[in-house]
Amino acid sequence: QQPVQSPQAVILREGEDAVINCSSSKALYSVHWYRQKHGEAPVFLMILLKGGEQKGHEKISASFNEKKQQSSLYLTASQLSYSGTYFCGTEAGTASKLTFGTGTRLQVTL
Amino acid sequence: DAGITQSPRHKVTETGTPVTLRCHQTENHRYMYWYRQDPGHGLRLIHYSYGVKDTDKGEVSDGYSVSRSKTEDFLLTLESATSSQTSVYFCAISDSGSGRGDGYTFGSGTRLTVV
Repeated sequence: QQPVQSPQAVILREGEDAVINCSSSKALYSVHWYRQKHGEAPVFLMILLKGGEQKGHEKISASFNEKKQQSSLYLTASQLSYSGTYFCGTEAGTASKLTFGTGTRLQVTL
Repeated sequence: DAGITQSPRHKVTETGTPVTLRCHQTENHRYMYWYRQDPGHGLRLIHYSYGVKDTDKGEVSDGYSVSRSKTEDFLLTLESATSSQTSVYFCAISDSGSGRGDGYTFGSGTRLTVV
């Protein structure tokens, strides 16, 4: 079962903040976040691991609530380059595979 | 500089014909995945591999088969293409597969149209 993302779409003005949520019905080992621009491949943003470890390489932040099996991605002071579709991918149990949500379309305007 | 390439990038095929998509990596990663992407569904896992000749099904595996005879190559075959298999197919690779690594790296995708 795919994780549920919310909102499905959001429009921001440059400089505004946004939060994207991801919720799963399964006990999670990790949550990944990816961004995909139109016509391109998804690009890795961040991993959040059970136990609190977080790995990422961009100026974004995220949280992982293990009790609720929820993760949130925080985009602060948004830039035009943040536009795209954001996907969370969840890993449950010992399976080495990700199940992706249906995506959140983010558009940043001037 | 891409460590993962997919071929072909675009393909149009007729209903009922077999089709093979190729994913090639130069990263020596253990895990390889095939996903399909359709509007409203996000990315859905078709099959994945955790080593040479070691593969397993994903959530939408019906009508697809895979093979991995070498670390670097992961082939996806549509045994008899149907219009419902019109989609964009992405290959992904991972060094650990378990979230302890640096995430997945995706190929550029193959746009397949079945007419």
